[in-house]
Amino acid sequence: DAGVTQSPTHLIKTRGQQVTLRCSPKSGHDTVSWYQQALGQGPQFIFQYYEEEERQRGNFPDRFSGHQFPNYSSELNVNALLLGDSALYLCASSFGLAGGYYEQYFGPGTRLTVT
Amino acid sequence: AQSVSQHNHHVILSEAASLELGCNYSYGGTVNLFWYVQYPGQHLQLLLKYFSGDPLVKGIKGFEAEFIKSKFSFNLRKPSVQWSDTAEYFCAGARNAGKSTFGDGTTLTVKP
Repeated sequence: DAGVTQSPTHLIKTRGQQVTLRCSPKSGHDTVSWYQQALGQGPQFIFQYYEEEERQRGNFPDRFSGHQFPNYSSELNVNALLLGDSALYLCASSFGLAGGYYEQYFGPGTRLTVT
Repeated sequence: AQSVSQHNHHVILSEAASLELGCNYSYGGTVNLFWYVQYPGQHLQLLLKYFSGDPLVKGIKGFEAEFIKSKFSFNLRKPSVQWSDTAEYFCAGARNAGKSTFGDGTTLTVKP
């Protein structure tokens, strides 16, 4: 059973460029959340996708956008990159939005460096 | 605003010592609480979770945590640590299906 997978593993971009990160959820999961983890900090919630719609969003500017596909995989897009966007980007998958149990499984992350 | 704070940034212990990592949360209403571990070079893994019921929850690898509502705390404990427990530990809170809010993590170094 494949867990959460992310690509690419590492990425180096220049300020002002755009980047797309990809995530495939764990088998059986239909909800994908994205987090940004800066060095020395805990992950910060960017947004969550369910049924191909953004359901919740954290305190991130509109430069951060996403998409979920019918097969539940997801993309995170960041436009007009800033040096401060350098971080580990984590994808987490879970099943559904309702109910009392909510357990996320995290992928290995994509390390983005902006120069 | 929802928040999770971890008291210790870096903890250093000798093998066989007991461990307690502090976590306090600030949430209105019902909250689900989690401890995650990130071993060097590996991704975040769930250690244990609390949703409701018995406030003492047991997780993998001998870890446990106690939910104390009156203190807004969810401290992680292990009676005897091993060198292999060296890792970064994150406390997190979430509503039923909403975003998770993480603390800044505690780096645990266990000396052999």
